[in-house]
Amino acid sequence: AQSVTQLGSHVSVSEGALVLLRCNYSSSVPPYLFWYVQYPNQGLQLLLKYTSAATLVKGINGFEAEFKKSETSFHLTKPSAHMSDAAEYFCAVSGSARQLTFGSGTQLTVLP
Amino acid sequence: GAGVSQSPSNKVTEKGKDVELRCDPISGHTALYWYRQSLGQGLEFLIYFQGNSAPDKSGLPSDRFSAERTGGSVSTLTIQRTQQEDSAVYLCAISGGGDTEAFFGQGTRLTVV
Repeated sequence: AQSVTQLGSHVSVSEGALVLLRCNYSSSVPPYLFWYVQYPNQGLQLLLKYTSAATLVKGINGFEAEFKKSETSFHLTKPSAHMSDAAEYFCAVSGSARQLTFGSGTQLTVLP
Repeated sequence: GAGVSQSPSNKVTEKGKDVELRCDPISGHTALYWYRQSLGQGLEFLIYFQGNSAPDKSGLPSDRFSAERTGGSVSTLTIQRTQQEDSAVYLCAISGGGDTEAFFGQGTRLTVV
């Protein structure tokens, strides 16, 4: 069985500030972990993925995430928020089940 | 999303009618998924096709929902006797399986009135 918990359904940051979106997972086998972004009225776009290589994963648009097995976490960060980062972000895990299991999502608002 | 075309993009239907949603992926991806995204429920897995294997239907919410994939390519999700709670965005995704990422279509927004 696998599951994902995203802490904070809404996060607001000022433009230029650090972005931190939290994701904790549960998986009975070594997981594959993903972050997706969804802009309004669009499908999901992959930001980055962890597949048991480097624990620090760099993705598109300046985002990165660190896999911490001891904390079962895969938090998403970006050093400096941009207005265009405003969107909904989903953490997902796949492992024993072939399909992705998604977290409930975090809506990121970037304030000017 | 690149590589996955879904139609229609929007569908409004009357309660009790049947609807068909189409997913047309580019070739070369063996795995195809359907997800449902609705307010309050997040992203729910519905069904998964992998090659010639029997589909994983474990996420289908009721027997009113069915899906097929013809020739390992195009997939159709059918909802019979639609109910208002079926209103949602239905997303199709393709993947190479395993650790490869899934590519999502733009979705079909279904509204049952």
